[in-house]
Amino acid sequence: LAKTTQPISMDSYEGQEVNITCSHNNIATNDYITWYQQFPSQGPRFIIQGYKTKVTNEVASLFIPADRKSSTLSLPRVSLSDTAVYYCLVGYGGATNKLIFGTGTLLAVQP
Amino acid sequence: SQTIHQWPATLVQPVGSPLSLECTVEGTSNPNLYWYRQAAGRGLQLLFYSVGIGQISSEVPQNLSASRPQDRQFILSSKKLLLSDSGFYLCAGAIAGTGELFFGEGSRLTVL
Repeated sequence: LAKTTQPISMDSYEGQEVNITCSHNNIATNDYITWYQQFPSQGPRFIIQGYKTKVTNEVASLFIPADRKSSTLSLPRVSLSDTAVYYCLVGYGGATNKLIFGTGTLLAVQP
Repeated sequence: SQTIHQWPATLVQPVGSPLSLECTVEGTSNPNLYWYRQAAGRGLQLLFYSVGIGQISSEVPQNLSASRPQDRQFILSSKKLLLSDSGFYLCAGAIAGTGELFFGEGSRLTVL
């Protein structure tokens, strides 16, 4: 059974950089790794997507090692509004059909 | 851009009653479609996914079923709800090969 694991929770302070890891040992060869942010009672919101090496956009960076068995979401200079649950999403069925969310990481940002 | 309409937004059902949640997709053809469930305080569990009309893959044994009668319509059903079926249900779609999901607004189900 495909399993995608993340730390349950992380604490941080405003202005710090936060790195959240995701372990996905059985990821399919051609599938992407995507990260989402979720607030209570809302659907997940897209943050960033990558396939290998490093990807950066205006809100985050994504680091993926060569073996692709893990990935790390990096949030620079977090603020209170970044308090949310963060999920990685990984494909296990080939051709990106079966998409499994990680276990989720609750990030709590304090002033 | 792709849009998913999902309904109903909220429902309260007694144990043993049937269930039907529906979503429709706009803005793309031949999407992969997914049903996820999120129990209170828990993560997003994949229930079913579909790569085409009439094609359903089930991830978790349970008393739920899914159907895709049209390309852009996905339905989640149950004949008899259990207390454990309570949760937040999300319909999602993806353009095949992109690995990026777009979501409906969700349906909150409470089984009493």
